[in-house]
Order: sequence, then structure tokens, then C-alpha cells
Amino acid sequence: EVQLVESGGGLVQPGGSLTLSCAGSGFTFSSYWMSWVRQPPGKGLERVANIKPDGSEKSYVDSVKGRFTISRDNAKNSLYLQMNSLRAEDTAVYYCATVARAVAGGDYWGQGTLVTVSS
Amino acid sequence: DVVMTQSPLSLPVTLGQPASISCRSSQSLVHSDGNTYLTWFQQRPGQSPRRLIYKVSNRDSGVPDRFSGSGSGTDYTLKISRVEAEDVGVYYCMQDTQWPWTFGQGTKVEIK
Repeated sequence: EVQLVESGGGLVQPGGSLTLSCAGSGFTFSSYWMSWVRQPPGKGLERVANIKPDGSEKSYVDSVKGRFTISRDNAKNSLYLQMNSLRAEDTAVYYCATVARAVAGGDYWGQGTLVTVSS
Repeated sequence: DVVMTQSPLSLPVTLGQPASISCRSSQSLVHSDGNTYLTWFQQRPGQSPRRLIYKVSNRDSGVPDRFSGSGSGTDYTLKISRVEAEDVGVYYCMQDTQWPWTFGQGTKVEIK
């Protein structure tokens, strides 16, 4: 059974830092592009960052560029999101997800972890 | 960035009746590789998103055949041929042709 399990969310003060983790199982993690997608409470989806299977290419949405870093450890089947200089507008449920643009199946999502940025 | 505009934003439907959601992009979604990367997701209440359709019209594994996608250029449509109770939720289109990949605002489907 395919599983993506996020962890590391919580309450953090504005300007603070947090690192999210995502553990994958049940599929060949090292073969997939991976992504972080966020959803503010009651609002829509925003794809925040992507990373290539070998970690050599990373892309970020402008609103997080310079503050967030996506990384992965294929030996541990794990994806990470280091978030610095957090702002109130970063408050959201953060999902990790596979990227499978052109093939059937292979599009998997975790259950999400809530990050709340507030004083 | 490519702006994705969905309509309607709210769609009350009668069980067993068809439903249609429109998604318009601010520019063509044809990729340099010749593919059109337009994806549809379903998000049921309290759940993570689930992909239904990829590359405009390709249904994902396990997706009922009452869901279909169509379109080209800048105009795309998701159709549900006969709405069932389990189809309640929010539907999002997303373009994954050009980074940053962008979503529509979402269309909430509810039963009348």
C-alpha cells in the first residue's frame, strides 16, 4: 500500500522556522519527482515546490523563494521542507505529493500537516 | 504566472443528473513537448486531493468512467455524466505545463 506521511507541523511565531518531513513507502520513492502543496484553511491549493528524483533540480513558487528549501533523502525515502522567516500567510495544511504528469496512477498525496504562524 | 479561472464556483446538482465545470487558462497550455498538461483533482470533505484526470482527458486508475475531461488551447471542461452522492466535494483544475504550476479557485459540488 502506498503511503506518504507528513510530520513536523505546528505553531510557530512569525519570523520563526520549521522543518516538515514526509516519509514515503509502498512505491519506488527514488524514481519520482516530489512536491509540496499547501492549502490555507478553507481556501484553495498552491503548489509550493518541486524536486527532481535525484535532487538536482528544484523549483519554487515566488512567494517562498529564498525562504523555503525542498530536499530529499532517497536512502530514507524521505522528503523535507525547511521553512524560514515564516509569515502569517504561510499558515496552511502542507501536503507532500508525488508528481506523475504523464502517466496513469502514481499520483499520491499524504494526509497533510498543519502549520500555523501566529504570535 | 498562468492564471486558471474556474466556473461556476458553486454547483448544486441533483443526484443522477449531469454536471459540468469549466476551466479557462490565461495562456495556451500546450507544452514544448507537444503535450497539454491540464489536470483535474477532486477533494472530498476532510480528505486530501485526488487526481481524476491528467493531460486533459486521461482518466486515472480507479476513477469511474462517469468522469470525463475535454478541451484544448485555453478552455477545458470536466464533466460528470450522472452525479452520485460520493461526488460531493471541491474540484480543482491545475496547469502543469509551465512552472509555477497553478490551480483554479475550485468548484464546490453539492447535492440539491
